Amino acid sequence: DAEITQSPRHKITETGRQVTLACHQTWNHNNMFWYRQDLGHGLRLIHYSYGVQDTNKGEVSDGYSVSRSNTEDLPLTLESAASSQTSVYFCASSDDRGSSYNEQFFGPGTRLTVL
Amino acid sequence: LAKTTQPISMDSYEGQEVNITCSHNNIATNDYITWYQQFPSQGPRFIIQGYKTKVTNEVASLFIPADRKSSTLSLPRVSLSDTAVYYCLVGPYGGATNKLIFGTGTLLAVQP
Repeated sequence: DAEITQSPRHKITETGRQVTLACHQTWNHNNMFWYRQDLGHGLRLIHYSYGVQDTNKGEVSDGYSVSRSNTEDLPLTLESAASSQTSVYFCASSDDRGSSYNEQFFGPGTRLTVL
Repeated sequence: LAKTTQPISMDSYEGQEVNITCSHNNIATNDYITWYQQFPSQGPRFIIQGYKTKVTNEVASLFIPADRKSSTLSLPRVSLSDTAVYYCLVGPYGGATNKLIFGTGTLLAVQP
């Protein structure tokens, strides 16, 4: 069955370190998204991609970067981790080919703690 | 993208019908209304989407009045497992514009 996975599921790192969160989907979806979720803020969009080599900034992109070298993967990199980036990160994907819905399929999330 | 307003929390009991209303006064002509459900420690899950009038599926119904400035998600006969956060989103669907803006959602607590 097609799915979307994230790794690691939990990560503890130190301030200033570079961290990469992986997202892999087997839906063959063109669109992929990264969100962070914090208490009181709901989900906020970090970056998104509409296809290979395409990346776009979301509402909270500072301190984060993404790259899309293939359809299946959209890794999220924190260039220099800060305590304010402690959060739960969700990756999602969606299909734009004949889809009737704004249906995004979400991964299980990665809980990141920056000490 | 249109901003949405929904209650922060709601309480209900098992077996009751629950209606969660979302306000979206600035909805655009090409915007659809979409609802997601999120259980603790999981990613959100699509529930239902509509443009006008009424949409029903096996999980919920969505009621949209003629002016489309609000919508109501209706969950029939809720159970304890329906305890979750419910998000109302408004935006165009499909194609290259289907990024969505999630608000803080409505926390539905179902009690026995």
